[in-house]
Amino acid sequence: NAGVTQTPKFRVLKTGQSMTLLCAQDMNHEYMYWYRQDPGMGLRLIHYSVGEGTTAKGEVPDGYNVSRLKKQNFLLGLESAAPSQTSVYFCASNVLRTGELFFGEGSRLTVL
Amino acid sequence: AQTVTQSQPEMSVQEAETVTLSCTYDTSESDYYLFWYKQPPSRQMILVIRQEAYKQQNATENRFSVNFQKAAKSFSLKISDSQLGDAAMYFCAYRGIQGAQKLVFGQGTRLTINP
Repeated sequence: NAGVTQTPKFRVLKTGQSMTLLCAQDMNHEYMYWYRQDPGMGLRLIHYSVGEGTTAKGEVPDGYNVSRLKKQNFLLGLESAAPSQTSVYFCASNVLRTGELFFGEGSRLTVL
Repeated sequence: AQTVTQSQPEMSVQEAETVTLSCTYDTSESDYYLFWYKQPPSRQMILVIRQEAYKQQNATENRFSVNFQKAAKSFSLKISDSQLGDAAMYFCAYRGIQGAQKLVFGQGTRLTINP
């Protein structure tokens, strides 16, 4: 049981480049989330999805887009990367009954 | 909007001693969940303990326990018999029971264990 898997784990981009982070979960969870983690600021919600084909904005959505074409996958895209998007990104999925979030291992993104 | 505040950016404790990490939150909801997550250097987010607001009894998990004060909106984590493996960032988090059930995190507390 892989749980929540994020790819890639590390990536270095130049300003203006685009990329996509992939999150895959094999637990049949309905809800999925993308967070970013920055020093001293905890984890902040970027976008989330409450089911296949649905997405919604979180606390810090600017500069990011997402898609949930399949229930098990949640993609986070950066169309034109900026240095302010240097961060560690976490994907998570939700167990509705207990409220617990299962997290991926994180993806460290550096934008030069 | 709900907010979670951890006022201790860093804490340290001697191995085998007890340490308490503080967390306060703000909400207008009457029912919700509270969590403590641990993040070791591996970066993995690990659930330490969970508390349902409607339960008056404080949650415990082995050496970890919470002091949940609903009226004061306080949710502290006590680690007893601290071990070197407890060294990590600890995040307090809030989740309402309505809507998209998003977790709102505090800023984190870095815990150091001194041998």
